[in-house]
Amino acid sequence: AQKITQTQPGMFVQEKEAVTLDCTYDTSDPSYGLFWYKQPSSGEMIFLIYQGSYDQQNATEGRYSLNFQKARKSANLVISASQLGDSAMYFCAMRGDNQGGKLIFGQGTELSVKP
Amino acid sequence: DTGVSQDPRHKITKRGQNVTFRCDPISEHNRLYWYRQTLGQGPEFLTYFQNEAQLEKSRLLSDRFSAERPKGSFSTLEIQRTEQGDSAMYLCASSSPQDSYEQYFGPGTRLTVT
Repeated sequence: AQKITQTQPGMFVQEKEAVTLDCTYDTSDPSYGLFWYKQPSSGEMIFLIYQGSYDQQNATEGRYSLNFQKARKSANLVISASQLGDSAMYFCAMRGDNQGGKLIFGQGTELSVKP
Repeated sequence: DTGVSQDPRHKITKRGQNVTFRCDPISEHNRLYWYRQTLGQGPEFLTYFQNEAQLEKSRLLSDRFSAERPKGSFSTLEIQRTEQGDSAMYLCASSSPQDSYEQYFGPGTRLTVT
């Protein structure tokens, strides 16, 4: 069975500072992908970043980077230089390459950026 | 390309009524997924299609739920005899092999069963 765990229900960060959102996962698939999505209050899921299980380097997309530690089964999201518009729910998700493409999501972390 | 669209955006219905939601994926995306998201939770997988074939259904999808994608383009999700526990956001996503099956989500349909 696949499982994603996000242990931080809510996080606060000061504007312009960096913040790390935690994600651990469990899977028996030898090959898988890890994703982070942002969900603002409007409800739409916005793709942020992707990490493949066999990628040698940690993924980066602008201010987002994924700290992938395969042995620890963790895939933490780092947001640098936080902006007020970063306030939202953040979901970690996993896709097993033998699972038909469906995503398994964690429970999410609500990030609040303070001015 | 306008992205994934869903209709309606909001639906209020009385318990026992049937409702149908529509999802229009990004054109030429061969995979289409339905998820359900209840308040304070992450989305949960319901079902997915590759072209017109429904390839997987979650155990969450009771016999009151049915999904179709008749021509491999848009999809509908119908809930019969709605219950209050069906109140949730229903999200649709689509993907293609050209994008390594990265899923693009629609804005969702928020269902409230009174």
